[in-house]
Amino acid sequence: GAVVSQHPSRVICKSGTSVKIECRSLDFQATTMFWYRQFPKQSLMLMATSNEGSKATYEQGVEKDKFLINHASLTLSTLTVTSAHPEDSSFYICSATSTNSPLHFGNGTRLTVT
Amino acid sequence: GENVEQHPSTLSVQEGDSAVIKCTYSDSASNYFPWYKQELGKRPQLIIDIRSNVGEKKDQRIAVTLNKTAKHFSLHITETQPEDSAVYFCAASLDSGGSNYKLTFGKGTLLTVNP
Repeated sequence: GAVVSQHPSRVICKSGTSVKIECRSLDFQATTMFWYRQFPKQSLMLMATSNEGSKATYEQGVEKDKFLINHASLTLSTLTVTSAHPEDSSFYICSATSTNSPLHFGNGTRLTVT
Repeated sequence: GENVEQHPSTLSVQEGDSAVIKCTYSDSASNYFPWYKQELGKRPQLIIDIRSNVGEKKDQRIAVTLNKTAKHFSLHITETQPEDSAVYFCAASLDSGGSNYKLTFGKGTLLTVNP
């Protein structure tokens, strides 16, 4: 079964609204979570690295005020897309790991901004 | 930062033939090189990985080779089957585990296996 659960799997929102995506590690404590974005027919691009209890480290070009990442517990990280616009429509995938754990990907969230 | 180049972008083979996908990386500090298979709309699935202290690794029909000096690694699939059709991504990171698991992905190869 899935060891990383991502919710929701699909979401449609109106331009200007905010959307929260959850990533949960189900049977291990995830000290580190990564958030990726994947546009159609493209590769996975790392957005940020999140360590539990610390501020996320964002990749160059990713707006930290637009993509809010919270990793307040060892089993949950959230990505909030604030003031979403159509160009934010994408497939968002989280992955989770710890020091001695394999990397597990969530099922991804298909975000459509209308 | 790390840069991973992947070729070809598309590959079409006949069932039973072999398929080879090649990647190069730029950061000599990278030590971990996984390969992922992704079907449309689904999560990437790890199919094989290799660390820098190993030159080759095989798992049934799948093998990976690594040339650390030249900074390139390749995926080999033998006896391809239609269910092998998917997008394949190579990736590189400093290591596995914790923050070191920060993966840089190649652009992907769409493999089509024709019956």
